[in-house]
Amino acid sequence: GQSLEQPSEVTAVEGAIVQINCTYQTSGFYGLSWYQQHDGGAPTFLSYNALDGLEETGRFSSFLSRSDSYGYLLLQELQMKDSASYFCAVLRVAGKSTFGDGTTLTVKP
Amino acid sequence: DTAVSQTPKYLVTQMGNDKSIKCEQNLGHDTMYWYKQDSKKFLKIMFSYNNKELIINETVPNRFSPKSPDKAHLNLHINSLELGDSAVYFCASSQAPGDSYEQYFGPGTRLTVT
Repeated sequence: GQSLEQPSEVTAVEGAIVQINCTYQTSGFYGLSWYQQHDGGAPTFLSYNALDGLEETGRFSSFLSRSDSYGYLLLQELQMKDSASYFCAVLRVAGKSTFGDGTTLTVKP
Repeated sequence: DTAVSQTPKYLVTQMGNDKSIKCEQNLGHDTMYWYKQDSKKFLKIMFSYNNKELIINETVPNRFSPKSPDKAHLNLHINSLELGDSAVYFCASSQAPGDSYEQYFGPGTRLTVT
């Protein structure tokens, strides 16, 4: 089967840097996505890593190590609006993404 | 312009009833999905259609039946609703099955079964 693990909660202060880790066990791995979901909202796509290394998009970066079955989402210069749930999702066989259980990020003043 | 839309946004109904949720995307995508998000925010895929054909059918009670009249629409019909069906149901789409790493989600339908 497959499994994804990510912390259930993370707390940080405005302006800080936070890293949300995701480890996975799966067969037929294609890549790792990250989604953000605000309370009451829909998940929105943030980033995708198919190859090892760091992908940067503004204040957000995502990293993947295929050999370690591990990835992370790095959020820099945290803002209050970054308080949300963050999901990692493994893309396996074409058309199937399995989502982790989500990490609730709370940004404090 | 709305990319992925769902109706209704809220649905309150009694146990045993049958209800439908509709989804439409105007992105020109070939692949559409239904997800269930429970009260603990766990997001689980239920179904996926590619160009009107079912390609993913997770372990979902057969009371749930998706229907795709065309590739821009994916509806979800639920028979004999149960309390445990209460959740938020999200429709999503992607360009193609292989692009499911980047999905566009609708606003969700909050279903409450009493």
